[in-house]
This record gives sequence, structure tokens and C-alpha cells, in this order.
Amino acid sequence: DAGITQSPRHKVTETGTPVTLRCHQTENHRYMYWYRQDPGHGLRLIHYSYGVKDTDKGEVSDGYSVSRSKTEDFLLTLESATSSQTSVYFCAIRQGQNTEAFFGQGTRLTVV
Amino acid sequence: GENVEQHPSTLSVQEGDSAVIKCTYSDSASNYFPWYKQELGKGPQLIIDIRSNVGEKKDQRIAVTLNKTAKHFSLHITETQPEDSAVYFCAASTTGTGANNLFFGTGTRLTVIP
Repeated sequence: DAGITQSPRHKVTETGTPVTLRCHQTENHRYMYWYRQDPGHGLRLIHYSYGVKDTDKGEVSDGYSVSRSKTEDFLLTLESATSSQTSVYFCAIRQGQNTEAFFGQGTRLTVV
Repeated sequence: GENVEQHPSTLSVQEGDSAVIKCTYSDSASNYFPWYKQELGKGPQLIIDIRSNVGEKKDQRIAVTLNKTAKHFSLHITETQPEDSAVYFCAASTTGTGANNLFFGTGTRLTVIP
């Protein structure tokens, strides 16, 4: 299995609180991604990174920010959590363009 | 951006029968088409992929076909087994500048009935 770890695996938080999800990789892959998975929507890209300190927005980035200060870590922050951000979040890594994407086990986030 | 549509959303087949899942994409520049299998409580895993310079690729019971003109690609699973039951996602991406993002279909829940 690819060395990719997400933490926490489960989290319940209250509306309006900040939340940070962590993705850690041991593969030294260049590209890292955050997706959210919701019924009927498949996997939608939130933010991505193509190198240290190089990040950009995906298709559903509103309400989220990211940081990548080291190759191995990609953090996703919900500045002020809302119920619409209740979802399963997946981190993925890729070595290069058009190569296999490896996914983490996911983080189930519930905002109450 | 790229738009990937996937059908059907659910599919039930008898064990031993074949299953076919179809996807269409909108960006003619897309040139990489992977298929992922997701089991309950796990992240998606790649099962097969195809690049735009190839029309068909096969790996044991799994095959993928690509029609660039029509902008659609399909996953074929033959001799289905209960362990094939899962959610399957197609995706598309394009090489070039940026992060070479993968755009996913909405998924197909396959159930193989023993």
C-alpha cells in the first residue's frame, strides 16, 4: 500500500469552529489532492498542490484553505465549519502527470 | 473544466455474468482515463487505466475501451464474482501545466448476486 495517512479518521465538530485535516505521505510524490465524497456527487476536488507552497483551488474550494510547507504534509482547513461541509474527505497523491493516484483511507467529518 | 458523466448509478448482475459501466467526458484534450474501485470504508483503488493512444486494454477479467471520437470509455468486467461488488468510479485527466487534476464520474454501485 502507498504510504499515505489521513488524520483524524473521524471527527465531530460544531458549526462555526475551525477544523484541520492532515494528509501525510512517505512516497515523496509531487502532487497532493483533497477531495470530498458525497452521495450522488462522486469525488469532487477541493484543493490541490503541485509542490511545496504551490497550491491552487479545485471545483469546490469555497470555505476551505490548504497549506503545504513540506513535501510530505498537506493540510486542509475549514475556517468556520458549516453543516454543508459534513462529508468524507480523501487525500490523494500522484508521482507525476497521468500516473496512478493513491488515496488515503478517508476522514469522516460531521458538523453539528 | 472537464465534465465526466457515468452510467448507470447502480447495477446488479448474477454471479458469472458480465457488467458494463459507461462514461463520457467533455474535454477533447483529456488523455488519461483510469478506473477506480472503492470498497466500503476504504479509499478508491486503481484497477485499470487507459491512455488516449490506445483503444482497448485488458487485465484478466477486466477490460476498458476508449472511443476518442465519441468521447466515451467503458469498463467491462467478465465472469463477475461476489468480491467484485463495490462502487466503481471512472475519471479523466489531461497532461499539461498545473496539477494534472483527475475529474471523477459520480460512481456506479455494482452488486454481484451469488
